[in-house]
Amino acid sequence: EAQVTQNPRYLITVTGKKLTVTCSQNMNHEYMSWYRQDPGLGLRQIYYSMNVEVTDKGDVPEGYKVSRKEKRNFPLILESPSPNQTSLYFCASRLLGHTEAFFGQGTRLTVV
Amino acid sequence: EDQVTQSPEALRLQEGESSSLNCSYTVSGLRGLFWYRQDPGKGPEFLFTLYSAGEEKEKERLKATLTKKESFLHITAPKPEDSATYLCAVVDSGNTPLVFGKGTRLSVIA
Repeated sequence: EAQVTQNPRYLITVTGKKLTVTCSQNMNHEYMSWYRQDPGLGLRQIYYSMNVEVTDKGDVPEGYKVSRKEKRNFPLILESPSPNQTSLYFCASRLLGHTEAFFGQGTRLTVV
Repeated sequence: EDQVTQSPEALRLQEGESSSLNCSYTVSGLRGLFWYRQDPGKGPEFLFTLYSAGEEKEKERLKATLTKKESFLHITAPKPEDSATYLCAVVDSGNTPLVFGKGTRLSVIA
C-alpha cells in the first residue's frame, strides 16, 4: 500500500531535549516536506527537499533541522525543543512537478 | 508571494442542504490547484487536482471547478459524514512548495 509513515504519533517531551520525528514514504517520490499545523494558522511549511541531499527552508524553519540521506526518508530534528514548537506535524511526499501531495498520519508534539 | 484565501472559515449545513466553498488565489502562474479533506487529528486526504480554467472534477457529492482567479467546491445534498475541514492548495510554475489556504470547517447536521 502506498503510504507516508510518521513516527511517533504522539510525543510529550521537555524543553531542550533533542528529538527526531521520522518520516518514510514507499512511493519513490522525489519531493518531501514537513508542515506544522496550528489553530487559526493552517498548514505552514517548515522544510522541503526535492531530492537526496537537497533541502530548503520553508516558511517557518527556525528551530528545526532536516536531512535527506536516502530518497525514502526525511527526518525532522528538533535540537532544543521549546514550548512554542508544540504543534501537530505532518510529513508529505509527491512527485516533482504539479502533482498532489500525500500526507502522513501526523505527529502531535507537546513540549513542556 | 502566492496567496490562497478560503471562505467561509466555517459553514454549518443541514443534511441535504447544498452549498459551495470558495478558494481564491493569487499566483504568478498557476500550474495546479488541489482540494483536500482533513478530519480532526488526521493528515489531509487528497480529493481533486485542477489544472486549467474551466476544468471540473466530481466525486460522489463533491464537484470542484476552476476559474482564472478562484475555485469552488460544490457539495450537493451533504450528509453528516461530509463534516470535515476542506483545504485548498496551489502550486505555481517550477517545483515550488504547495501553498495552502487555512481551510473551511464544514459541519453537516442530521
